[in-house]
Amino acid sequence: AQSVTQPDIHITVSEGASLELRCNYSYGATPYLFWYVQSPGQGLQLLLKYFSGDTLVQGIKGFEAEFKRSQSSFNLRKPSVHWSDAAEYFCAVGADSWGKLQFGAGTQVVVTP
Amino acid sequence: NAGVTQTPKFQVLKTGQSMTLQCAQDMNHEYMSWYRQDPGMGLRLIHYSVGAGITDQGEVPNGYNVSRSTTEDFPLRLLSAAPSQTSVYFCASSLGGSQETQYFGPGTRLLVL
Repeated sequence: AQSVTQPDIHITVSEGASLELRCNYSYGATPYLFWYVQSPGQGLQLLLKYFSGDTLVQGIKGFEAEFKRSQSSFNLRKPSVHWSDAAEYFCAVGADSWGKLQFGAGTQVVVTP
Repeated sequence: NAGVTQTPKFQVLKTGQSMTLQCAQDMNHEYMSWYRQDPGMGLRLIHYSVGAGITDQGEVPNGYNVSRSTTEDFPLRLLSAAPSQTSVYFCASSLGGSQETQYFGPGTRLLVL
């Protein structure tokens, strides 16, 4: 069965510091991987996605993620966080050909001054 | 272009009451889905539809019904609300296919007393 694990429930980071959010997946075939962000009281917005090709994927708001097949990971990074990056971040894997998503539990990011 | 809209934004129900959560999209998307979000569990798929007249169950379908009479609308019905259905509900839509971005509505927060 497919699964997505986000090991960190909560991360606190200083404004201007770098951020890395971890995501590990279990999937039998080549996965379709996504990162979504949820700002307080809002719906989810796609940050980036990976299907094939270059394993380093660029997304919106200065985020990037790297797919590592050998580690079954798809970690999200940002070199310098802004206060507006405080949100909950979800990693997801495409569960079938129609695009059903299997989500991780999410990582809450708090940005301090 | 409103994207994905959901009504109501917030609802309080008593145990045993029924209600319908509305979802509409104006992007002519074939694929629509309902998720519930609970703390520490990410988003879990309730029901989904791959086109008008076609629906199927997701991971947590019990206590919920759906129908899809038009491409635009995908209502979620709670037949007899239970406190365990207290959650935030998100509707999403996409063109369909593993590579497609899913667009999420702003959510409906439901409290069942």
